[in-house]
Amino acid sequence: GEDVEQSLFLSVREGDSSVINCTYTDSSSTYLYWYKQEPGAGLQLLTYIFSNMDMKQDQRLTVLLNKKDKHLSLRIADTQTGDSAIYFCAENGNYGQNFVFGPGTRLSVLP
Amino acid sequence: DGGITQSPKYLFRKEGQNVTLSCEQNLNHDAMYWYRQDPGQGLRLIYYSQIVNDFQKGDIAEGYSVSREKKESFPLTVTSAQKNPTAFYLCASSETANTEAFFGQGTRLTVV
Repeated sequence: GEDVEQSLFLSVREGDSSVINCTYTDSSSTYLYWYKQEPGAGLQLLTYIFSNMDMKQDQRLTVLLNKKDKHLSLRIADTQTGDSAIYFCAENGNYGQNFVFGPGTRLSVLP
Repeated sequence: DGGITQSPKYLFRKEGQNVTLSCEQNLNHDAMYWYRQDPGQGLRLIYYSQIVNDFQKGDIAEGYSVSREKKESFPLTVTSAQKNPTAFYLCASSETANTEAFFGQGTRLTVV
């Protein structure tokens, strides 16, 4: 079955760049997504990338996709304390279930 | 404003009681989903519906039931058969089964 893996924790200093990594198994995924979850809240769609793209940039966010290695990354430039949250990688899976989520990476931004 | 609304935000129930969580969307989305999130864990799919009057079990459907009588509504009932119902429940919708999902703010259910 499909599986999405992420490291569970990441700490960075305010102003540095953060890179959150994700690996997935379903090579037929059409889209890959990054969601952000703040404490006690739902998931907010940050960005997504179509599977035939290598890179997508949106303001401070850069998504890199290595389809050969099934590796996705999210880079946050100039990380701020407001970026502290859990970040989920997701792929649209097969079998009609649509989304398979990773376990989430908890990003802590230190002053 | 278009969006997806879950209610209530917090819910307390006694063990053995059924409870229904509400999820409403005004985005005209065909697909809707229910996920469960436990502390420090990712999301697990309970049920999903790709169209009105149709729904499918997800990975952890036991002890839960849903209905999809209207396009905009996808209520989740947590039954007494669910062994460990205390969790954070998230509802989502997407335009179709292959487009990005939008989430509600979640309902935190505590069973005492």
